[in-house]
Amino acid sequence: DSGVTQTPKHLITATGQRVTLRCSPRSGDLSVYWYQQSLDQGLQFLIQYYNGEERAKGNILERFSAQQFPDLHSELNLSSLELGDSALYFCASSVRWGQGSDTQYFGPGTRLTVL
Amino acid sequence: DQQVKQNSPSLSVQEGRISILNCDYTNSMFDYFLWYKKYPAEGPTFLISISSIKDKNEDGRFTVFLNKSAKHLSLHIVPSQPGDSAVYFCAAKSSGSARQLTFGSGTQLTVLP
Repeated sequence: DSGVTQTPKHLITATGQRVTLRCSPRSGDLSVYWYQQSLDQGLQFLIQYYNGEERAKGNILERFSAQQFPDLHSELNLSSLELGDSALYFCASSVRWGQGSDTQYFGPGTRLTVL
Repeated sequence: DQQVKQNSPSLSVQEGRISILNCDYTNSMFDYFLWYKKYPAEGPTFLISISSIKDKNEDGRFTVFLNKSAKHLSLHIVPSQPGDSAVYFCAAKSSGSARQLTFGSGTQLTVLP
């Protein structure tokens, strides 16, 4: 158990819908990262927040957005869903931001299926 | 454009023998490298890391070797155990960035009893 929690575990929805994925980082961690794992793209970085502020963006679609709240939990919002958005979405957390030695610990993931 | 490559999708090893998983990278800005293990239906679990200023790091049965001139790293597991069977991901962090992880495509390790 990494200490990172993600809800829900599974999500099944239809094309065009909007969903929200939730992540609670490990106690004491200020950085939250979101990653997407799809069959054809592997594990890819989406976006990172540190202490409530966005710090980096990766391959995140404009239909996707995220935020980190004052209690440090984070939400990833996916809208106008398409079949290709079906994937595993992982959240990771780390203590700091910008340190190479800072280890990222991953949650169990949310499996999103878009029908 | 794959900056981190794991060219072997799978590897089978006998229990008690050495497992060697390989990873190549192309980005010279990478200065920290990590290995994660992943079981089905779970998130990646951190195993071991190495800074680019070192060429070896050891933690119990796991040793990571870094060859900067060849842009190559490897993970050695000795001795291999059936519980080590999982997908192993190589990942790298770039200096001067938010330190997000760039992952390889993974290698499925199967340790046969």
